[in-house]
Amino acid sequence: ETGVTQSPTHLIKTRGQQVTLRCSSQSGHNTVSWYQQALGQGPQFIFQYYREEENGRGNFPPRFSGLQFPNYSSELNVNALELDDSALYLCASSLDVVSTDTQYFGPGTRLTVL
Amino acid sequence: GENVEQHPSTLSVQEGDSAVIKCTYSDSASNYFPWYKQELGKGPQLIIDIRSNVGEKKDQRIAVTLNKTAKHFSLHITETQPEDSAVYFCAASTTGNQFYFGTGTSLTVIP
Repeated sequence: ETGVTQSPTHLIKTRGQQVTLRCSSQSGHNTVSWYQQALGQGPQFIFQYYREEENGRGNFPPRFSGLQFPNYSSELNVNALELDDSALYLCASSLDVVSTDTQYFGPGTRLTVL
Repeated sequence: GENVEQHPSTLSVQEGDSAVIKCTYSDSASNYFPWYKQELGKGPQLIIDIRSNVGEKKDQRIAVTLNKTAKHFSLHITETQPEDSAVYFCAASTTGNQFYFGTGTSLTVIP
């Protein structure tokens, strides 16, 4: 086990709704990264937070936003849900933002948008 | 940005045989290359990694090689077992610890 947890496990929403996904990082890990994994694809980088500040963003629109809290927890918020947002959402924690830091993944939240 | 390509997309081997998965990357600034194993319904699990100052790393039945000049790295699994069946992803990390993943290889080990 990586010590990274995510909630909920599964979630069903309808198009246009908003959703919040939660992640609890390993204690002492200052960095959390969020990924979207569509069925049959590799994880795609959404954004990264380091010490509660956004530290890089992939090719995702502003309706994807995040927060990181001092207690090693974080959130991914998605507004105005679209059908294509259906995917497995993964968070990964790492010690720092050094490029060679290992990232440890949680089990993911499966989001289905109807 | 970084682009990681992974081959093959599917791989079937007999139990006890070896399996090789290959990846190429585009950004010469990438300097960390982890490999993850993902089982159905679970998150990716790190199985081995290599940093750019090393050409090869081995951990029991698993090894990874890196050719920085050619910008490719490979995962080698020897003496495969049915429990090795899963989807394997390579990744490359550049500045800021942002990972770029390949598209995955579905490995099936036939008993």
